[in-house]
Amino acid sequence: QQQVKQSPQSLIVQKGGIPIINCAYENTAFDYFPWYQQFPGKGPALLIAIRPDVSEKKEGRFTISFNKSAKQFSLHIMDSQPGDSATYFCAASRGATNKLIFGTGTLLAVQP
Amino acid sequence: DTAVSQTPKYLVTQMGNDKSIKCEQNLGHDTMYWYKQDSKKFLKIMFSYNNKELIINETVPNRFSPKSPDKAHLNLHINSLELGDSAVYFCASSQPGSNTEAFFGQGTRLTVV
Repeated sequence: QQQVKQSPQSLIVQKGGIPIINCAYENTAFDYFPWYQQFPGKGPALLIAIRPDVSEKKEGRFTISFNKSAKQFSLHIMDSQPGDSATYFCAASRGATNKLIFGTGTLLAVQP
Repeated sequence: DTAVSQTPKYLVTQMGNDKSIKCEQNLGHDTMYWYKQDSKKFLKIMFSYNNKELIINETVPNRFSPKSPDKAHLNLHINSLELGDSAVYFCASSQPGSNTEAFFGQGTRLTVV
């Protein structure tokens, strides 16, 4: 119930492509779904986040799609660039503790 | 001006030793965390403190003891280090309340030999 499942484990796209990373959860009490981006040797940094009362959120080239009934959410990166090459983590949390339950991560490589 | 800073960045030590990792945040946040990232990059929360009070303590061996001298600092002390403790440890902070962004430090790579 506490797990967040993430796929794929790794992804290679060409520059300009649209990588899509998918996550699924079981616990319907989760009320916050952030995506974090991590570069090698750095800590994760918040990219974009969504709440379950919204089906889509866009920030720049990054879009989260959220399907509450299916308990799934995904990250789309429009016009991907080599600088987007990083590991992406979906996460979920509930309530005031802000305890983040992370997915297993997706290593994205954007080839020039 | 680093928001969440950890020291040291790298730590290599022998089995059985005791070591500490320090964390400081200058964001004025009330809540601080320790996360562990294993060799497969899986991130898992260990502890959370809110205004110096422990609020989350996951199933972590009691060899790990967090200490928060004030709300801007959260240190992690590890006794009797084991090979399996090798990982990257991240400190993070956030405002209290629901759905607030967590800011992570750069991590401390602990290697136990």
